[in-house]
Amino acid sequence: QKEVEQDPGPLSVPEGAIVSLNCTYSNSAFQYFMWYRQYSRKGPELLMYTYSSGNKEDGRFTAQVDKSSKYISLFIRDSQPSDSATYLCAMSRGGATNKLIFGTGTLLAVQP
Amino acid sequence: EAGVVQSPRYKIIEKKQPVAFWCNPISGHNTLYWYLQNLGQGPELLIRYENEEAVDDSQLPKDRFSAERLKGVDSTLKIQPAELGDSAVYLCASSLGPYNEQFFGPGTRLTVL
Repeated sequence: QKEVEQDPGPLSVPEGAIVSLNCTYSNSAFQYFMWYRQYSRKGPELLMYTYSSGNKEDGRFTAQVDKSSKYISLFIRDSQPSDSATYLCAMSRGGATNKLIFGTGTLLAVQP
Repeated sequence: EAGVVQSPRYKIIEKKQPVAFWCNPISGHNTLYWYLQNLGQGPELLIRYENEEAVDDSQLPKDRFSAERLKGVDSTLKIQPAELGDSAVYLCASSLGPYNEQFFGPGTRLTVL
């Protein structure tokens, strides 16, 4: 079993829809939770960063962490065609190594 | 501010040939990472440098992979000899320190025939 599980999709939604992306994890030691966006033929770029449980909002994006359920989510409101990309969750224990463990990524297509 | 630069962007080689990838991190970033990203997968860490020192290379297949970071700036990742299973995207990332945001380069897409 992988430490981080993520539905690979693809997920296709119409423009303006609310998108929900999710990851589950098995290692309770994870404390830092991130969402990266990766456009085709590009490197990942950090979208959202959350420490421990709770919600964080940034514009159209909301990240949620539920450590009790080992479940994290990313919501995208009013989705745009420019949001079409692969979304990767990542997490780490922090500490001396701060090694990131990534999910497989979910491919999102927002149809105009 | 220039981002992480990687070259070449694409490389096609035959199996058993050597190959090298180059990375120039963001200026002032002391921490440098090499990741492997297989098709349909997330990046997996191969090696992390703090300045010139490799502090985490536990995932680097040392029988055929080697890396160096001379003078704590640019880095080179080498594979010798390459195998068919090495076909993947090799990503370089850098950060100010090990607890700071990692910035990724565009990657080098390797195809081994």
